[in-house]
Amino acid sequence: SQTIHQWPATLVQPVGSPLSLECTVEGTSNPNLYWYRQAAGRGLQLLFYSVGIGQISSEVPQNLSASRPQDRQFILSSKKLLLSDSGFYLCAWNRRGPDYGYTFGSGTRLTVV
Amino acid sequence: AQSVTQLDSQVPVFEEAPVELRCNYSSSVSVYLFWYVQYPNQGLQLLLKYLSGSTLVESINGFEAEFNKSQTSFHLRKPSVHISDTAEYFCAVSDLVGNTDKLIFGTGTRLQVFP
Repeated sequence: SQTIHQWPATLVQPVGSPLSLECTVEGTSNPNLYWYRQAAGRGLQLLFYSVGIGQISSEVPQNLSASRPQDRQFILSSKKLLLSDSGFYLCAWNRRGPDYGYTFGSGTRLTVV
Repeated sequence: AQSVTQLDSQVPVFEEAPVELRCNYSSSVSVYLFWYVQYPNQGLQLLLKYLSGSTLVESINGFEAEFNKSQTSFHLRKPSVHISDTAEYFCAVSDLVGNTDKLIFGTGTRLQVFP
């Protein structure tokens, strides 16, 4: 079956510390992968997407970066966190074909203090 | 590039009353349309989607949405809401150009159902 794993579920980090959030997909190959952020009381903003290994597109300028070292692995990183990086981060993959849609991970709630 | 507008940030309604959550999109190409629901402190759940065919789509819990191409709308409706429907609702659009399949969300509508 097709599943998506995202961890950790909750993270509290001090300002200036590094960040690494990982997302992995099972049961499919060559998926499109996405990182979204939901700031407190706001909608979901697309941060990055990837159509293949090593291919990363950024939607908004920011303090974050993304990498795709393997086909089903998508990593969100930062060298130095800012307070404004706090939010709920969601990873997703795109499923094509007759049952076209998107599957979201359970999310990581990041609080920068 | 596509965009999604949810004009109502909050919709208060009494239990058993009907509700409509509005969604308009902007795109120069064909699109797929989605409604997601987010319960407090939880992730996103797909409520319903329009890919093709009948313009009226339904969910298993009584919600329905109608794709209106001329008005570029995909409003969500329910004839009688329950307390348990209290949640944040997001409309989203995916255009069918290229291979990126980016899913763009509206800012969300918070539905608050009162007893």
